[in-house]
Parts: sequence; C-alpha cells; structure tokens
Amino acid sequence: KNQVEQSPQSLIILEGKNCTLQCNYTVSPFSNLRWYKQDTGRGPVSLTIMTFSENTKSNGRYTATLDADTKQSSLHITASQLSDSASYICVVSEGRSSNTGKLIFGQGTTLQVKP
Amino acid sequence: GAVVSQHPSRVICKSGTSVKIECRSLDFQATTMFWYRQFPKQSLMLMATSNEGSKATYEQGVEKDKFLINHASLTLSTLTVTSAHPEDSSFYICSASPPWLLPDTQYFGPGTRLTVL
Repeated sequence: KNQVEQSPQSLIILEGKNCTLQCNYTVSPFSNLRWYKQDTGRGPVSLTIMTFSENTKSNGRYTATLDADTKQSSLHITASQLSDSASYICVVSEGRSSNTGKLIFGQGTTLQVKP
Repeated sequence: GAVVSQHPSRVICKSGTSVKIECRSLDFQATTMFWYRQFPKQSLMLMATSNEGSKATYEQGVEKDKFLINHASLTLSTLTVTSAHPEDSSFYICSASPPWLLPDTQYFGPGTRLTVL
C-alpha cells in the first residue's frame, strides 16, 4: 500500500534554531516528492520538488533531501522565524500520478516557532 | 503565475441548506481541477477530480449526489454541498494543474472553511 509517514507529528522550537522534519514513504513506482507549507486556514504552498535523481533541493532557508534507496526525505529549516510556524506536508507522486494527478499526502508535521 | 482562488473563504450555514464553493484559476486555463477535504489535524483527502466539460470522478466513499461538482469552464469549478449537515463541516481546498505541466503539479487554493450549524 502506498503510504507517506511523517515525523514528528508536532514540534516546538525557539526562534533562530534549526530543525529537521522527516518523511518516509512506501510508494511505488516513485515519481517525485514535494514538500508543502500550509499556514493555518490556508492552502498548501509548494516549497520544493525532487525527482528520483535529485538528492537535495534548497529554497531559501528550506533544504530538502531525498534518499530514493531508503525512501526517506527530510526538510531542514535553518534559522527559524516566527513565520515558519505552520504545517509541513510531504507529498509523493507515484508513477500514475502524472496522468491521474492523484497525490499521496503525509499527515504533516506541525511546527511552532516560539520567540 | 499559477494562482488559484476560492470563494467564499468561510461560510456558516444551517443544517439542511446547500452551499456552493467556487474555485478559479486566475492566470491559466485548467482542464483538470481537484477538490480536497481536510479535517482538523489531518492531511488533505482527495474528494474528486473535476474535468472541464465532463463528469467529475469521485473517490471511493464520497457521495456524488451530496457533493456536486461542476467544471463548466476552463477557469472555474464549483463544489456544491447539498443538504449540509454538521458532519460536513470541514476545510475544503481546491487545486488546479496548469496545462503545460503534468496533473501531479497542482496549485492549491486558499481553502474554504465550512461550518454547518
């Protein structure tokens, strides 16, 4: 069964600190993996996208990694800001997603950055 | 580019009434739009895939007679929750895929918070 699992479920850090969110997936065939940021009461916004051949992708203070062999991805946030408080969702496309558009969503990690 | 809007952003209605939610792709024509539902502290769940000019494809367990989807134009899809009940209270999010990208590249709307009293 195609699944995406994220950890931790929630996380609280102090402003300025770094953090790493984890995503493990059992999706086959794998097409790509995206990290989204979802502010409370808003729709998800894409942060990064990685295909099978990409190991790392950065977007400002956000850096995503992908290990296609172990089927793991991480999202590292550097020098956190209060505005980083949000839910971060790992989304995987399987082979047919390119035709169907059906995505496999993780449960998300809720990050709270405190001053 | 690739902006998707939803209207209204939030709606409160009485049990038994119908509510229409609009999803618009503002700067591109979307042949395919998607409707999701998100309950508190849960991730997005796909309800249906909306194709312009044809019937929507509903996911298993989603009542097509209750959640009416119309995709009458390339920039507008609507979701009508008929005879809404409190258990339909949720956050509804649409997404659209630009025609120059594959359907798994979706831009999400800001969501609509539905509260049924």
